[in-house]
Amino acid sequence: DAKTTQPPSMDCAEGRAANLPCNHSTISGNEYVYWYRQIHSQGPQYIIHGLKNNETNEMASLIITEDRKSSTLILPHATLRDTAVYYCIVPREYAGNMLTFGGGTRLMVKP
Amino acid sequence: GAVVSQHPSWVICKSGTSVKIECRSLDFQATTMFWYRQFPKQSLMLMATSNEGSKATYEQGVEKDKFLINHASLTLSTLTVTSAHPEDSSFYICSVGGSYNSPLHFGNGTRLTVT
Repeated sequence: DAKTTQPPSMDCAEGRAANLPCNHSTISGNEYVYWYRQIHSQGPQYIIHGLKNNETNEMASLIITEDRKSSTLILPHATLRDTAVYYCIVPREYAGNMLTFGGGTRLMVKP
Repeated sequence: GAVVSQHPSWVICKSGTSVKIECRSLDFQATTMFWYRQFPKQSLMLMATSNEGSKATYEQGVEKDKFLINHASLTLSTLTVTSAHPEDSSFYICSVGGSYNSPLHFGNGTRLTVT
């Protein structure tokens, strides 16, 4: 997978927006940006993915810069249940559905 | 998205015994499934790709004779940890579906403890 860089940890106040950044400067052409999260002792959960345009679903928004070298996952109103490790992944086009997980960002939502 | 069921969710076994973990795709016919392992405070590491009707593909450093994978149908893959040792204690997770432009879906994992 294309190398991604995320801060190891972040804090967010409950009810506020959580903005999680990711750098993926080696992203190319048709490679998508995916976000997953892993709540403690559970399997990873898919959140959102995008190619060029910003995306929004019921869980989050994904903002991708115009040059596609970085993106931000936004949880608009974080709750305590959003405390998790968030992974930004850019699978290689030729690698199909194989994912390589980096360290991710440990988001702590505090009351 | 695909619904993935993994069983058991946790298991404790004695050193030297074998343990089988099942991964079922409940609403998606999966020709390929993936098995990951996660040690405490570490990220997920891909162990192997399970291929329906053929041999699994193992990542470098993963012993194929120790981690036996069977993918006999489009909805079931099994991982058997043979002659388990305490260092095999880990969180094992399977995943289903996806391509480079569609997401993978994961099971809830199996916590294996070898005593």
